[in-house]
Amino acid sequence: DAGVIQSPRHEVTEMGQEVTLRCKPISGHNSLFWYRQTMMRGLELLIYFNNNVPIDDSGMPEDRFSAKMPNASFSTLKIQPSEPRDSAVYFCASSFRAVGYEQYFGPGTRLTVT
Amino acid sequence: QKEVEQNSGPLSVPEGAIASLNCTYSDRGSQSFFWYRQYSGKSPELIMFIYSNGDKEDGRFTAQLNKASQYVSLLIRDSQPSDSATYLCAVFGGSQGNLIFGKGTKLSVKP
Repeated sequence: DAGVIQSPRHEVTEMGQEVTLRCKPISGHNSLFWYRQTMMRGLELLIYFNNNVPIDDSGMPEDRFSAKMPNASFSTLKIQPSEPRDSAVYFCASSFRAVGYEQYFGPGTRLTVT
Repeated sequence: QKEVEQNSGPLSVPEGAIASLNCTYSDRGSQSFFWYRQYSGKSPELIMFIYSNGDKEDGRFTAQLNKASQYVSLLIRDSQPSDSATYLCAVFGGSQGNLIFGKGTKLSVKP
């Protein structure tokens, strides 16, 4: 079975540009999570969706970040405009139950903003 | 601020030994507990979860939960060099509505 799919795997962009990260959750999973991982802060939850509805976006660092889930098989995380401090690995994870249950991570997108 | 604390390590054990990884959490109302393994440059991989006090065994791995002490641990028996990775503890429940991760313990198993 396919796991969580993320694209692109690597993204290098210049400060001020728009960045869009994509995620396809595991089929049948109804919860989707976006995380950011850095050496300094570790793994941080940015936002999660349940049945395509955003439930908690308190981890989104600022208005430059936005996320959507138009259907059960696709989600995007957008950063506009991007800044060097946004450089991190962004993971998408999904779960077939609610947030308190097992989550399965995608391979991640390594974002570098120069 | 709800916290999950782990010793960052590195924890170094010889091959064949038992590796003991520890995690404490601050929210007494926490309900479910997870251990993830993360190899360098890879994504976190779920290896164990535990919801009730006591021990849960899966192959060479044992998760131990003590809610009274707000402590969860992971034991790896017969450690192998392939177990060398960072182990992340994650906690859900209580007053926070999402999974809180510790910063991880780096384990090194020496041949």
